[in-house]
Amino acid sequence: AQSVTQLDSQVPVFEEAPVELRCNYSSSVSVYLFWYVQYPNQGLQLLLKYLSGSTLVKGINGFEAEFNKSQTSFHLRKPSVHISDTAEYFCAVSLLNTGGFKTIFGAGTRLFVKA
Amino acid sequence: EAGVTQSPTHLIKTRGQQATLRCSPISGHTSVYWYQQALGLGLQFLLWYDEGEERNRGNFPPRFSGRQFPNYSSELNVNALELEDSALYLCASSFTGSSGANVLTFGAGSRLTVL
Repeated sequence: AQSVTQLDSQVPVFEEAPVELRCNYSSSVSVYLFWYVQYPNQGLQLLLKYLSGSTLVKGINGFEAEFNKSQTSFHLRKPSVHISDTAEYFCAVSLLNTGGFKTIFGAGTRLFVKA
Repeated sequence: EAGVTQSPTHLIKTRGQQATLRCSPISGHTSVYWYQQALGLGLQFLLWYDEGEERNRGNFPPRFSGRQFPNYSSELNVNALELEDSALYLCASSFTGSSGANVLTFGAGSRLTVL
């Protein structure tokens, strides 16, 4: 069965510090990988996606992620966070199964940036 | 370009009642997905509609149902409401391109409170 695991439920970090949000997935088929961000009282917004090609993907707001096939990981990083990055971050995989395309989300990681 | 719109923003019902939530996808998107985001439970996949048909269903009881209209808008119905149905219901739309990647665009959600 396919699954997405976000290893940290909460990540507190000081402003201007670097951050890494971890994501591992399990799947026996090829997947497409995504990170979404959810600000308070809003829906989810796409941060970045990996479809194919370069394993280092750059997204909006200075975030980037690296696809590591051997470790089945897709960790999200930012070299210097801002207060405004406080939000919940979801890792997701999209794959083709018998019912068609399906997107599975991780449980989310709450990033809390402190001044 | 208008995004994914959901209505109502908030809905308060009592146990045993029925709730109807609505979603209009981005113009050109033919797929609509419904997710339930209950407190502490992440995003749980509910339903996927494409071209007017239900393509896939998550692990939810039959009292969760929906439909997709010819204009690709969608409706989610929850019958015989229970307290644990209280959650943010997110709708997303997508257009599955030739790559097969399933990039979701989310609405802001409908918050259902069951008293």
